[in-house]
Amino acid sequence: DAGITQSPRHKVTETGTPVTLRCHQTENHRYMYWYRQDPGHGLRLIHYSYGVKDTDKGEVSDGYSVSRSKTEDFLLTLESATSSQTSVYFCAISGTRVSGANVLTFGAGSRLTVL
Amino acid sequence: QQQVKQSPQSLIVQKGGIPIINCAYENTAFDYFPWYQQFPGKGPALLIAIRPDVSEKKEGRFTISFNKSAKQFSLHIMDSQPGDSATYFCAASMNNAGNMLTFGGGTRLMVKP
Repeated sequence: DAGITQSPRHKVTETGTPVTLRCHQTENHRYMYWYRQDPGHGLRLIHYSYGVKDTDKGEVSDGYSVSRSKTEDFLLTLESATSSQTSVYFCAISGTRVSGANVLTFGAGSRLTVL
Repeated sequence: QQQVKQSPQSLIVQKGGIPIINCAYENTAFDYFPWYQQFPGKGPALLIAIRPDVSEKKEGRFTISFNKSAKQFSLHIMDSQPGDSATYFCAASMNNAGNMLTFGGGTRLMVKP
């Protein structure tokens, strides 16, 4: 997953605790995304960013917030983790759409377990 | 609201077989349809993609068939190999400000030796 790093890769936490996942890119891409992956649901968009300090909600944004203070970093925060947020979280990056192609490059994922 | 529906959820074929994975979409504004391949413990990676102005695209053993009127597209894997065992996701996007991809639910493919 060259150019995109997620941390932590694994985390176990308790219900009610705050959690922050970090995505770091070295590609200088404009767009960054947070998806969650759950069996039977595929990948669902949580939040995305189209520039520094520019973010918007995705399909499943409730309970999550994001921040992007630098081009290279996109943080996903669970203010008060719940068991329903146990999932694998993927960060993705994308450059400007060229010739109709929007290629997303994904990180290796962060597995979060909320007990 | 699932805008891209994918089937089957799982698929088992023998080596050399031709697994077919189907997707259907609802939003006619979608204009780009990629397929992603994901191996265990890894992030999804782009496999092949098609735009609605063509009905078929081949890259090696992988072929996308696209039916614009039916709003359906499918992935065919010719001469499948055990190394093709992975989860496959179809997706769709439109040329909007977010450049977002909407994914199908995924198909877990197992190719038996």
